[in-house]
Amino acid sequence: GENVEQHPSTLSVQEGDSAVIKCTYSDSASNYFPWYKQELGKRPQLIIDIRSNVGEKKDQRIAVTLNKTAKHFSLHITETQPEDSAVYFCAAGDYGQNFVFGPGTRLSVLP
Amino acid sequence: NAGVTQTPKFQVLKTGQSMTLQCAQDMNHNSMYWYRQDPGMGLRLIYYSASEGTTDKGEVPNGYNVSRLNKREFSLRLESAAPSQTSVYFCASRVFSGPSTDTQYFGPGTRLTVL
Repeated sequence: GENVEQHPSTLSVQEGDSAVIKCTYSDSASNYFPWYKQELGKRPQLIIDIRSNVGEKKDQRIAVTLNKTAKHFSLHITETQPEDSAVYFCAAGDYGQNFVFGPGTRLSVLP
Repeated sequence: NAGVTQTPKFQVLKTGQSMTLQCAQDMNHNSMYWYRQDPGMGLRLIYYSASEGTTDKGEVPNGYNVSRLNKREFSLRLESAAPSQTSVYFCASRVFSGPSTDTQYFGPGTRLTVL
């Protein structure tokens, strides 16, 4: 089955800097890669996703890149703000099927 | 439109007790899920229901049972709670909106402690 690793487990950045979180997956059949954000005490929420036929996707300050050959994908947050502080989860799987979540990255944006 | 709701929000059980976690969604989604979240382990799928009348095991189904009561409701039952089941439980529903959107909407979670 699919196995998703995520690094780093914790990340601290200064406000205004960029943050990058990387995930690797094991199943070459996976073709869908969502990212969820979970603020403290809240529920996870989808922030961006990418399909395997796309190499990069952007949404304002957030971008995701995918390297299918190397089986890794990354979340990039630019111009970080205090409200970006949260736990971020990547996931990998088949579009329309179940996907497996990574263990999460706790991002802290320092003022 | 309440989205996905869960009850209770908090629960403390003694080892061996049973309980049912309730989940309901008002978005007319076909698929519903139960996850557990433990520190450092992300979200692990317990059971899911791809459509009304069907249920399937996920990654960690042992010690749990589920019922898809109707399209709106999907319950999770612990028959004999164990301390290893102490966790935060999230219910989710899922919608596929065209070729590129696949979104899971999570409920607020139930924090369960088993003593």
